[in-house]
Amino acid sequence: DAGVTQSPTHLIKTRGQQVTLRCSPKSGHDTVSWYQQALGQGPQFIFQYYEEEERQRGNFPDRFSGHQFPNYSSELNVNALLLGDSALYLCASTKSGPARLYFGPGTRLTVT
Amino acid sequence: AQSVTQPDIHITVSEGASLELRCNYSYGATPYLFWYVQSPGQGLQLLLKYFSGDTLVQGIKGFEAEFKRSQSSFNLRKPSVHWSDAAEYFCAVGAAEYGNKLVFGAGTILRVKS
Repeated sequence: DAGVTQSPTHLIKTRGQQVTLRCSPKSGHDTVSWYQQALGQGPQFIFQYYEEEERQRGNFPDRFSGHQFPNYSSELNVNALLLGDSALYLCASTKSGPARLYFGPGTRLTVT
Repeated sequence: AQSVTQPDIHITVSEGASLELRCNYSYGATPYLFWYVQSPGQGLQLLLKYFSGDTLVQGIKGFEAEFKRSQSSFNLRKPSVHWSDAAEYFCAVGAAEYGNKLVFGAGTILRVKS
């Protein structure tokens, strides 16, 4: 079992650009959540996808959007990047039900 | 609003000494409570969780935590710390009423001195 996988591992972008991060959930999981972890802070919930729809959203602007595919994998898109978007982006998956998340290793995004 | 407070940003303990990391939460619903550990550059690993029942829960790597509803606390403990326990520890809270969203504390960095 590969667990939750994320790509790429690291990414450097320039302000104003757009970025797409990818996540494959743990086998058997159908719900994917995305978290942003800024340096020195705890993870913050961005949104959650289930059955290819956004089910919950945290306090993030519309520049942050996502998608879930029929195979349950997911993408996180961020438009018009700001310096403050620099962070570790964590994907987590679960089987629908009470919270029991498996986290991926994250994608480190640096915006210059 | 939901919130989690980890009052200690850094803690240093000697190898073999006992450890307690504090966590207080404010949550409107009946909470699920979690402790995660994160090594540098890594994702989050679940140490233990509390959903209901026995308020003292056992986790991996010899960790345990006690849920105290009256104090809104869920402190993490370990009787004897190993050098490999040096990492950052996060307390998190969720509830079925809020779906699978977790609210995390800011973390406590544990340093272990030999």
